[in-house]
Amino acid sequence: QVQLVQSGAEVKKPGSSVRVSCKASGDTFSRLAISWVRQAPGQGLEWMGGIIPVSGIFGTPNYAQNFQGRVTINADESTSTAYMELSRLRSEDTALYYCARVSEPFGAGSFFGSWGQGTLVTVSS
Amino acid sequence: SSELTQDPAVSVALGQTVRITCQGDSLRSYYASWYQQKPGQAPVLVIYGQNKRPSGIPDRFSGSTSGNTASLTITGAQAEDEADYHCNSRDTIANHWVFGGGTKLTVL
Repeated sequence: QVQLVQSGAEVKKPGSSVRVSCKASGDTFSRLAISWVRQAPGQGLEWMGGIIPVSGIFGTPNYAQNFQGRVTINADESTSTAYMELSRLRSEDTALYYCARVSEPFGAGSFFGSWGQGTLVTVSS
Repeated sequence: SSELTQDPAVSVALGQTVRITCQGDSLRSYYASWYQQKPGQAPVLVIYGQNKRPSGIPDRFSGSTSGNTASLTITGAQAEDEADYHCNSRDTIANHWVFGGGTKLTVL
């Protein structure tokens, strides 16, 4: 069972950037498709983007249209860690940010089998 | 991109059966997965693929699909099933995923 451990809570000023990390264990990192999902207070889950390995190599990240140009997702295989950076922060970006392992990413029945504990990002002046 | 639509809230009497639905075009091509989320906790997978349950999920949880609508059924709802339930599937855009807005289940 893959375990994902995320970095701690962050408080940021509007206009700044935040970088959240997600360290994986329990499986070979280069086999893991990792997505980032956020949840604003009292709201549902929103897919932000993710990375998918093909033959052990991470390809170009995919980003949801709502976050294009503001989010960057990458991975460091040497530390089994995925990262999500969100720039030009605004108050509406205050949310819990989760990383999740996507199982069977190319299949018709893909699913988010393992989740990190979540990282609270608060954007406030 | 696709959207998945869920009813915001559903209630069920203790021990009765409840169905939570999720509607969207992507469900004509891809299976829905379902996640239970209790306050202050990360989502937990309860149903995926063609009605599969992860280890540890009670068999009172089941899933089905008809056309563009996926359903999560809880047969004999328990007090501990009170939670938010989110559906998810692959999007019609390659390598994208989409979530529904979530359904708050109240067990009366």
